[in-house]
Amino acid sequence: DAGITQSPRHKVTETGTPVTLRCHQTENHRYMYWYRQDPGHGLRLIHYSYGVKDTDKGEVSDGYSVSRSKTEDFLLTLESATSSQTSVYFCAIGPYGDQPQHFGDGTRLSIL
Amino acid sequence: GESVGLHLPTLSVQEGDNSIINCAYSNSASDYFIWYKQESGKGPQFIIDIRSNMDKRQGQRVTVLLNKTVKHLSLQIAATQPGDSAVYFCAGKATGNQFYFGTGTSLTVIP
Repeated sequence: DAGITQSPRHKVTETGTPVTLRCHQTENHRYMYWYRQDPGHGLRLIHYSYGVKDTDKGEVSDGYSVSRSKTEDFLLTLESATSSQTSVYFCAIGPYGDQPQHFGDGTRLSIL
Repeated sequence: GESVGLHLPTLSVQEGDNSIINCAYSNSASDYFIWYKQESGKGPQFIIDIRSNMDKRQGQRVTVLLNKTVKHLSLQIAATQPGDSAVYFCAGKATGNQFYFGTGTSLTVIP
């Protein structure tokens, strides 16, 4: 694998609680992305980063924040989780070799 | 906004047959497209890509066809195998390093 680790892989939490998802890469890659994947929708970009402390909003950024204090870690935070944020979250790096983006195996987040 | 969509949410084929998965896109300015394979519990896996200056590109057992006139691309898998069972979706390049993704076709290979 390309060395992308997402943690946790599964999480169940309650509405209103803060949640942080971690994406760790060992590729020293500059560009990192957070997506969510929901039934009936393609992957949708939440936030992305072009380097340490350089982040920007994607298509569905409301309710999410990110931080990138080190090249290898990109954190996604839900300050106060809502049931509409129940989803599978994917982290990606890219371009990677001949691939435009390479994905981690996702975090399944359920908010009750 | 920009979008890509897949024509069929599900597709079943016999092992050994060829599979064709279709995708339509809306943004005529998109110049780069990708096909991904996603197995259950895994992240999307890159299969093949194509740039808009090409009509066809071949990989190992896969071919992507691009018809810019009707804004359509397809993925052909030759001699489909049980290990090909997965969700397949297309993606098109938006701006910079950003992409828009289709919802996927679930391919089931019948032994």
